[in-house]
Amino acid sequence: KQEVTQIPAALSVPEGENLVLNCSFTDSAIYNLQWFRQDPGKGLTSLLLIQSSQREQTSGRLNASLDKSSGRSTLYIAASQPGDSATYLCAVRRGNAGNMLTFGGGTRLMVKP
Amino acid sequence: EAQVTQNPRYLITVTGKKLTVTCSQNMNHEYMSWYRQDPGLGLRQIYYSMNVEVTDKGDVPEGYKVSRKEKRNFPLILESPSPNQTSLYFCASSIHTAGANVLTFGAGSRLTVL
Repeated sequence: KQEVTQIPAALSVPEGENLVLNCSFTDSAIYNLQWFRQDPGKGLTSLLLIQSSQREQTSGRLNASLDKSSGRSTLYIAASQPGDSATYLCAVRRGNAGNMLTFGGGTRLMVKP
Repeated sequence: EAQVTQNPRYLITVTGKKLTVTCSQNMNHEYMSWYRQDPGLGLRQIYYSMNVEVTDKGDVPEGYKVSRKEKRNFPLILESPSPNQTSLYFCASSIHTAGANVLTFGAGSRLTVL
């Protein structure tokens, strides 16, 4: 059974810092991995999607990497801003057709002005 | 606007009273799925559908039913709700083409079963 773990569970940083969020998974037979952000009381917004054959994806100040063999993904946020405060979730899409998803527990990020 | 729409957004009901949470997407997505989010347990997949008339169980399907009669709609049915189904529910959809199957989520439906 696939298990997805995110460390740390919570993180508080001053504005402007570069930071790394970690996601690890137990079964390397994944279809893809997706990073989301969730604001309090809201739905999930997709940030980056990495296919199993890819090593990294970038969008603006965000960079996500994937190391399938070691079961790890990292989300790098450059020059953090207070607006980045949210919970960040990674989800592994598994199964022959990528039809099942397993989510990590999330990292709650607070960026202080 | 491309979106996934869930209704109702908030619902309080009583044990045993059947209810349906609707989910509709306007992006012509083949894949649709339901999740529940609980404190300390995170998001867990309930059911998913790869296309019309094709549905399958996720990790926590007990107590739920779904149907996919049309491509755009994927309702979640609780035939006899119980208090342990009190949760925040999300519907999501995506196309089913490798490299482009980014999941789009609805805003969520908060259900309380008394």
